[in-house]
Amino acid sequence: QVQLQESGPGLVKPSETLSLTCSVSGASTDTSRTFWGWIRQPPGKGLEWIGSVYKSGTTYHNLSLKSRVTISIDNSKNHFSLRLTSVTAADTAVYFCARTPWGRPFDSWGRGTLVTVSS
Amino acid sequence: DIQMTQSPSTLAASVGDRVTITCRASQRIDTGVAWYQQRPGQAPNLLIYKASVLETGVPSRFSGSGSGTEFTLTISSLQPDDFATYHCQQYNTNWWTFGQGTKVEIK
Repeated sequence: QVQLQESGPGLVKPSETLSLTCSVSGASTDTSRTFWGWIRQPPGKGLEWIGSVYKSGTTYHNLSLKSRVTISIDNSKNHFSLRLTSVTAADTAVYFCARTPWGRPFDSWGRGTLVTVSS
Repeated sequence: DIQMTQSPSTLAASVGDRVTITCRASQRIDTGVAWYQQRPGQAPNLLIYKASVLETGVPSRFSGSGSGTEFTLTISSLQPDDFATYHCQQYNTNWWTFGQGTKVEIK
């Protein structure tokens, strides 16, 4: 059974860069027809898709976040990562990583990690 | 991007009630619609995909339907375990979007 685990700092200062890693076990990030994604949820609010990455490094991301988002994958370490630059308080959220088999939605999720943007 | 408007935002119901939640898409989409259940402090859990296909292990009291721009999640007989927040999601394009969520509370 696939398991995903987010890791990274829980506190980031305004204007700095948020960096998170999602470690995958029970499956390989080098799997064909599978995307790996990031989703966030501000406290008390709904879910927002941030972006997804394929084993080749091809990415799709939410254009509302413009050029602040970078998603990468390291198949040798079986993990993928998120970088969000120039953060503000509006980026405070629980960040989830998840798996997306081709043609399906997110079917396996990490537990999520709270990232607070504050000085 | 395709906007998903979910209603109601909150719903009060009793055990045994039939519950229906609706998601309307801002433009006509295929059946790439999913529904998730989320309990406080937990990650969302996939219930339905392709608008009406029940995910393995999900109780049959959950069902999904719809096409075009209107999609619904129905719980045929609400159980104590079902008091949670429900989210719809469209995954038809390369820009995925969620509804705002519906919190199902105890009446």
